Amino acid sequence: FMLTQPHSVSESPGRTVTISCTRSSGSIATNSVQWYQQHPGSAPSLVIFENVQRPYGVPDRFSGSVDTSSNSASLTISGLKTEDEADYYCQSYRGTKQVFGGGTKLAIL
Amino acid sequence: EVQLSESGGGLVHPGGSLRLSCAVSGLDFGYYEFNWVRQAPGMGLEWISYISPTALDISYADSVKGRFTISRDSAQNALYLQMNSLTVEDTALYYCTRGPLYSKSYYNQHWGQGTLVTVSS
Repeated sequence: FMLTQPHSVSESPGRTVTISCTRSSGSIATNSVQWYQQHPGSAPSLVIFENVQRPYGVPDRFSGSVDTSSNSASLTISGLKTEDEADYYCQSYRGTKQVFGGGTKLAIL
Repeated sequence: EVQLSESGGGLVHPGGSLRLSCAVSGLDFGYYEFNWVRQAPGMGLEWISYISPTALDISYADSVKGRFTISRDSAQNALYLQMNSLTVEDTALYYCTRGPLYSKSYYNQHWGQGTLVTVSS
């Protein structure tokens, strides 16, 4: 299966943005979805795991959800800050093999 | 503090080989599963290999299966990736990642800083 994300999104500081991740085949609910943030020149870091869980240290401005009707997962970032400008990747798996979405570049206007 | 430190990258000719290493510290190595994930210049993330805590369960992406071999050494607290028959399409930053503990999900909880592999004639 594939995971499809929008190539880019943009929003103003203080606003809320949602990034989608659509699974091409099979149910989005079959295996959990994770989200990673990657700033230029840095390694990715986990911001959401198991669909809705936040690792320790990730602010509660970051939230995840799954919508079986659209077969997609979403990452929502509220109260946008300039430091949120980064690439975001969704990820799921089949067995032990992982699948990444193509990534979404978030621009803070 | 958990640390993953990759090494072994460099410039190699097409058809050549490289062995990447990942030194792991700050955790009980034998309990964790690990992955290699790569990122070609300007491109997205691509998962390429997984190894279970006991090394009994190993998997590869189709793009590297038969050419790459993942392994681990508990005595050295290290993860390895032997890469053979390299092509220009293997040019990428290679990340070592650590999976979660006691989870039924497969993902990357912690990442190293990566080591760059460049395949060029």
